Amino acid sequence: DTAVSQTPKYLVTQMGNDKSIKCEQNLGHDTMYWYKQDSKKFLKIMFSYNNKELIINETVPNRFSPKSPDKAHLNLHINSLELGDSAVYFCASSQWGQGNEQFFGPGTRLTVL
Amino acid sequence: GENVEQHPSTLSVQEGDSAVIKCTYSDSASNYFPWYKQELGKRPQLIIDIRSNVGEKKDQRIAVTLNKTAKHFSLHITETQPEDSAVYFCAASGDTDKLIFGTGTRLQVFP
Repeated sequence: DTAVSQTPKYLVTQMGNDKSIKCEQNLGHDTMYWYKQDSKKFLKIMFSYNNKELIINETVPNRFSPKSPDKAHLNLHINSLELGDSAVYFCASSQWGQGNEQFFGPGTRLTVL
Repeated sequence: GENVEQHPSTLSVQEGDSAVIKCTYSDSASNYFPWYKQELGKRPQLIIDIRSNVGEKKDQRIAVTLNKTAKHFSLHITETQPEDSAVYFCAASGDTDKLIFGTGTRLQVFP
């Protein structure tokens, strides 16, 4: 009965590789997000999708490409991984509209060697 | 651009004491202010939120106050317990659902 789930939980990879993180929510929400939390714990929005449509696209390198096949899923593909991409990536979901609670997934800890 | 400042970055209190965390936002259009708690190795979870038409909200030992004129809001935890130890984040959003998070406060409650 997990509300927001992500896979994998841990990801260790070499510089230059391409990797994907998957997110699914079963809350019936129509909006999903990707956040990056760096080693100093700063939590920053990267993208948001509403009903499969990209809404927020912060200043993120275009090596990061989100994809939303349906409103319950939001994946994040990262090309040519760099050391600075090492972080915890959180997926979240909410009902569309201002002031709705965002529910976070368990996070994916990405380590680039 | 939008910015949320949060202080202090670390806070240590004795069990039973109160803890206060303060945030200031820059975007005057902000009207939703949630607080998230993140335990070590876990996901952020909403503990309380407040909207701009309210000045204060309380839920058991947790309260949040909002001063729209000064553009700041605060989290108050009374009768702290060791399980309150975590990182707390304030956030603000305006007409969209984009949340701008503060830099976090690491709260340690010593028994």
